[in-house]
Amino acid sequence: DQQVKQNSPSLSVQEGRISILNCDYTNSMFDYFLWYKKYPAEGPTFLISISSIKDKNEDGRFTVFLNKSAKHLSLHIVPSQPGDSAVYFCAASSNQAGTALIFGKGTTLSVSS
Amino acid sequence: DGGITQSPKYLFRKEGQNVTLSCEQNLNHDAMYWYRQDPGQGLRLIYYSQIVNDFQKGDIAEGYSVSREKKESFPLTVTSAQKNPTAFYLCATAPGYANEKLFFGSGTQLSVL
Repeated sequence: DQQVKQNSPSLSVQEGRISILNCDYTNSMFDYFLWYKKYPAEGPTFLISISSIKDKNEDGRFTVFLNKSAKHLSLHIVPSQPGDSAVYFCAASSNQAGTALIFGKGTTLSVSS
Repeated sequence: DGGITQSPKYLFRKEGQNVTLSCEQNLNHDAMYWYRQDPGQGLRLIYYSQIVNDFQKGDIAEGYSVSREKKESFPLTVTSAQKNPTAFYLCATAPGYANEKLFFGSGTQLSVL
């Protein structure tokens, strides 16, 4: 059973607009959440993370929001740029020794100019 | 030049053959991981290691084996028991092993001849 779910396989946005990527999780023990960006045939690169003690974390154009009661997080990209076109993975872990990151299936973002 | 080196970039396996994927890091990170990416499936954990001479199975360890004889190296062997080996394999490292962001290599694409 999937513990981290990204229910939208794809998202298309126009350049300059906001991109909102969503992620849901089922394990209440998760307390650390990350977003990664991935281009084809390359390794994922880290974008932004958030601890469960916060509900928002911002880094430039990227903001992650966490709603613990709903077990939901989202990544906002403002403004979106064509170079943002990639697959975005949501990941989660718990503060237990030896727990690796659990990834969602990813959302493919396409930003058109 | 610090980083994670995966080799080869492309690998072909014949039926009944074992193949080994290399992962080397000079980041002095304790933890190392192997993930597999299939189209539409996200990243699934194969094996991970928190310390030299110790490793744990991930969600899809069947048909794979690993070793961790040196801190810098975590090779993955895809055995003939793995019936569906075609995938993109990603090695990752982390400074610790709980609630840490992962750093990924550039991946190895394995295909079956």
